[in-house]
Amino acid sequence: DTGVSQDPRHKITKRGQNVTFRCDPISEHNRLYWYRQTLGQGPEFLTYFQNEAQLEKSRLLSDRFSAERPKGSFSTLEIQRTEQGDSAMYLCASGLNRGEQFFGPGTRLTVL
Amino acid sequence: KQEVTQIPAALSVPEGENLVLNCSFTDSAIYNLQWFRQDPGKGLTSLLLIQSSQREQTSGRLNASLDKSSGRSTLYIAASQPGDSATYLCAVIYNFNKFYFGSGTKLNVKP
Repeated sequence: DTGVSQDPRHKITKRGQNVTFRCDPISEHNRLYWYRQTLGQGPEFLTYFQNEAQLEKSRLLSDRFSAERPKGSFSTLEIQRTEQGDSAMYLCASGLNRGEQFFGPGTRLTVL
Repeated sequence: KQEVTQIPAALSVPEGENLVLNCSFTDSAIYNLQWFRQDPGKGLTSLLLIQSSQREQTSGRLNASLDKSSGRSTLYIAASQPGDSATYLCAVIYNFNKFYFGSGTKLNVKP
């Protein structure tokens, strides 16, 4: 068990480009979460999967954002037509039914 | 809207001091409460999870308490060390889908 991994760790892109992030959860965890964190703030919930089903999405997740977890294992988060306001740390976490979450190292996105 | 508040926002103490970090929440119908540590530019490391039926959890020099009726949790760090310097976040969990984080307490332990 190597914990939650995320790729890439850093991404710099130009405004208007699309970006995709990947999260690999702890293997036996059925729940997967995406968060966004800006400087000096706590993480803000974006979306949640139980197995392959996306059960909840935050209002923060505009129509430019889409997340998938096709086989109930890894997940991807795509941002289309990036804006400077999308610059943030994107965190992935996984967990089991007890509710405890384990976080990955995050992907830092910078939109120029 | 659920709100989670952490006080103080920043704290600087000399090495060896015992300290208390505070977390308050507006809705007492919580499922769990989890404390995390975050180093600059890194992800979150889970420290302690307190289930709603519990009043406290301990791990090494850390002790977390939970008082649901008053909407409060505290994280006690004994004999602080420079390696404890980090931002400490609490997350309140209302069901499996809803996690609400405070803005954190940035701790600096001076050698």
